Amino acid sequence: DARVTQTPRDKVTEMGQEVTMRCQPILGHNTVFWYRQTMMQGLELLAYFRNRAPLDDSGMPKDRFSAEMPDATLATLKIQPSEPRDSAVYFCASEKQEHSYEQYFGPGTRLTVT
Amino acid sequence: AQSVTQPDIHITVSEGASLELRCNYSYGATPYLFWYVQSPGQGLQLLLKYFSGDTLVQGIKGFEAEFKRSQSSFNLRKPSVHWSDAAEYFCAVGAPVGGKLTFGQGTILTVHP
Repeated sequence: DARVTQTPRDKVTEMGQEVTMRCQPILGHNTVFWYRQTMMQGLELLAYFRNRAPLDDSGMPKDRFSAEMPDATLATLKIQPSEPRDSAVYFCASEKQEHSYEQYFGPGTRLTVT
Repeated sequence: AQSVTQPDIHITVSEGASLELRCNYSYGATPYLFWYVQSPGQGLQLLLKYFSGDTLVQGIKGFEAEFKRSQSSFNLRKPSVHWSDAAEYFCAVGAPVGGKLTFGQGTILTVHP
């Protein structure tokens, strides 16, 4: 049963520290999405890639967030420096085919910045 | 810009009762519509989707949804709820160009025995 995996599952860090979250999309899926979920804002799209190229990162604070896909099996989301307002659950999702809209979500990384 | 409204933040039903979760969307053309479910501590899972054609769509786990263009709605239904259906449900709209989804705020479903 193919799944999206995310590491770490939980991360507690101090304000100002760098945080890196990793995602392994389902093999063969060519689109990867990064979402952030909070009680106040709900589920927000931060960025997404197709065939490893960034298509849209307009939802991401550019000054501290960065997203990359070093290869087809790994997507990363970095926050540097982290702030308490970044505390949220970050989800990665992958999609097999362009415009299929069937996104498969990972279990998420729960980030707490103190 | 597309948007989704789920009017009910929290719904409680008894096991075996019928369920309807409301979803209203705003989009200039014919939207692509979706329902996802999120169990505690898990990511979202696609329940069903509507692109075109028959306005009543069937999904997994016994769920169905009906697209009503005149009401800009895409309500989710299930005839008989099981305790395992307790979760948070998200309605989403997708633009035919771009591939992005916009999610509603979610409805938390509690099922009483």
